[in-house]
Amino acid sequence: EPEVTQTPSHQVTQMGQEVILRCVPISNHLYFYWYRQILGQKVEFLVSFYNNEISEKSEIFDDQFSVERPDGSNFTLKIRSTKLEDSAMYFCASRTAGAIGEQYFGPGTRLTVT
Amino acid sequence: AQSVTQLDSQVPVFEEAPVELRCNYSSSVSVYLFWYVQYPNQGLQLLLKYLSGSTLVKGINGFEAEFNKSQTSFHLRKPSVHIRDTAEYFCAVSGFTGGGNKLTFGTGTQLKVEL
Repeated sequence: EPEVTQTPSHQVTQMGQEVILRCVPISNHLYFYWYRQILGQKVEFLVSFYNNEISEKSEIFDDQFSVERPDGSNFTLKIRSTKLEDSAMYFCASRTAGAIGEQYFGPGTRLTVT
Repeated sequence: AQSVTQLDSQVPVFEEAPVELRCNYSSSVSVYLFWYVQYPNQGLQLLLKYLSGSTLVKGINGFEAEFNKSQTSFHLRKPSVHIRDTAEYFCAVSGFTGGGNKLTFGTGTQLKVEL
């Protein structure tokens, strides 16, 4: 069964450094998402991406965040200058055009900022 | 704006007992409702969804949920739980806002099944 994959599974970085989290969505999906979950808190929406542009973003998704689909398979989240409060589990998700809301999630990348 | 409330942060239950996990939502537009499950150190897996039609929806692993528009609720139930059902359960809502149909999650309910 096709699945969303994410790399790395765990990333440790120092405050102020740039990180890139990578995701490979399911191949025939057209909508892509990033969510994050701070330890012990709920899953929060960051950004949605369709047709090579951001379709919606949350207040969390400020100028230090960016997303990109550099080729036909990868979907990346870049944090330019990490802060301690960026430490969280980051989930990528994708869906087909017709399946409203039925998003398939990857296993997540745990980002630890020290 | 949409929001989801899961009043129970933890629900302990004995194996083979029934369980209900509560979810209430608020939204200014028509909504689609979902329950996701997160097993330890794993991602989120869709349990079931309500898009339209019958208010009683059945999902995987023997779970079901009932959409109640008047009470703005979407409670998850299972008549007999197993040890393997121990996990975190998230209720989520998505509204057709013309954007990316983001999911708004509740804070989650930790279901702990005991022998």
